[in-house]
Amino acid sequence: EVQLVESGGGVVRPGGSLRLSCTTSGFVFGDRGMSWVRQVPGKGLEWVSAINWNGGSRHYADSVRGRFTISRDNARNSLFLEMKSLRAEDTAFYYCAKDALYGGFDYWGQGTPVTVSS
Amino acid sequence: SHDLTQPPSVSVSPGQTATVTCSGENLGNKYVCWYQQKPGQSPMLVIYQHSERPSGIPERFSGSTSGNTATLTISGTQAVDEADYYCQAWDISTRVFGGGTKLTVL
Repeated sequence: EVQLVESGGGVVRPGGSLRLSCTTSGFVFGDRGMSWVRQVPGKGLEWVSAINWNGGSRHYADSVRGRFTISRDNARNSLFLEMKSLRAEDTAFYYCAKDALYGGFDYWGQGTPVTVSS
Repeated sequence: SHDLTQPPSVSVSPGQTATVTCSGENLGNKYVCWYQQKPGQSPMLVIYQHSERPSGIPERFSGSTSGNTATLTISGTQAVDEADYYCQAWDISTRVFGGGTKLTVL
């Protein structure tokens, strides 16, 4: 059974930093690209960042480029999102998602909440 | 803001056909996916690569893309299909979502 479990969310002050983790199991982690997606409760989905299977290709939404860094550790079956210079508008639930073979995210975690507030 | 435009809401009677549209530039040249999200749940992939259904997704869900418009069609809509639906366009460097459509089954 494929499982993705996010952790690391919490409350942080504006300008602060946070590191999210996504621990996976049930599939060959090193075979698949991964992404982070966020959602403000009651609002829509926003793609945040993507990384390919070996970490050699990374992409970011304009809203987070230069502040967030995606990475992965294939030996630990884990995905990470380093978030710096956090803003109130970064407040959301953050999901990790697994790339399907032909596009789309076929598995999602349950999300971890991030609140940026003074 | 979203580069993909969806109607905020669509209503359909049980047993009828629901159509959700998604407009964006050159969608025919990107991979279009659709997700269903129910309250309190993570999104679920219902269509990938414009028109393919993942294993376990009912046949009443179908998708198509022509030019700048992608369409999710639910034939014989059931009450259980009431949810938010999001389109997504994949290209080499982005995975943009549409703003979402709330499907109400009246």
